[in-house]
Amino acid sequence: NAGVTQTPKFRILKIGQSMTLQCTQDMNHNYMYWYRQDPGMGLKLIYYSVGAGITDKGEVPNGYNVSRSTTEDFPLRLELAAPSQTSVYFCASSYGWDSGNTIYFGEGSWLTVV
Amino acid sequence: DQQVKQNSPSLSVQEGRISILNCDYTNSMFDYFLWYKKYPAEGPTFLISISSIKDKNEDGRFTVFLNKSAKHLSLHIVPSQPGDSAVYFCAATEPSNQGGKLIFGQGTELSVKP
Repeated sequence: NAGVTQTPKFRILKIGQSMTLQCTQDMNHNYMYWYRQDPGMGLKLIYYSVGAGITDKGEVPNGYNVSRSTTEDFPLRLELAAPSQTSVYFCASSYGWDSGNTIYFGEGSWLTVV
Repeated sequence: DQQVKQNSPSLSVQEGRISILNCDYTNSMFDYFLWYKKYPAEGPTFLISISSIKDKNEDGRFTVFLNKSAKHLSLHIVPSQPGDSAVYFCAATEPSNQGGKLIFGQGTELSVKP
């Protein structure tokens, strides 16, 4: 019963490097999300997808890119890492986000940019 | 501009007593409110929700109260247990005509002492 799985768990990047955070879900959810959590700031939505082939910007999309080629996978790409992208990243999925549909989160990826 | 606010970053309660976590919001059009619980090094997990047309929802030791006129909701945990020690996030769902996104508060760290 995997749910939402994201990798890697921890990563240190140098400024200017690029990397991809992987996310996969096995619940056949149409909706997938990427959030970042900064201390004292709650969870901010970076990008989301309402189905395969469809992605859209959230509250804080700058510096990130996503793709959704399958229902299961929703990778998050950092092209030119900056110290401001040091954060904890959470991938999540749901059947939908209206009417209080529950969002299921992965365990998080801790990213440090130095 | 923080649409969902949790003004208390931390709360300490004695085991067996009541824990009250508060949340304020600014958008009167939010149509669903949710509480998520997060343990260290884990992703948030859904705890309880309430529709905007209700003023109370109860699930075991957890009760959420909604005061729409004051744009305020609270989560009551009674009796509190040491295992309840975690960060609690309040969240609200935008109506679909405003994007339908889930907006999170900053979180309140609850510590229940034996």
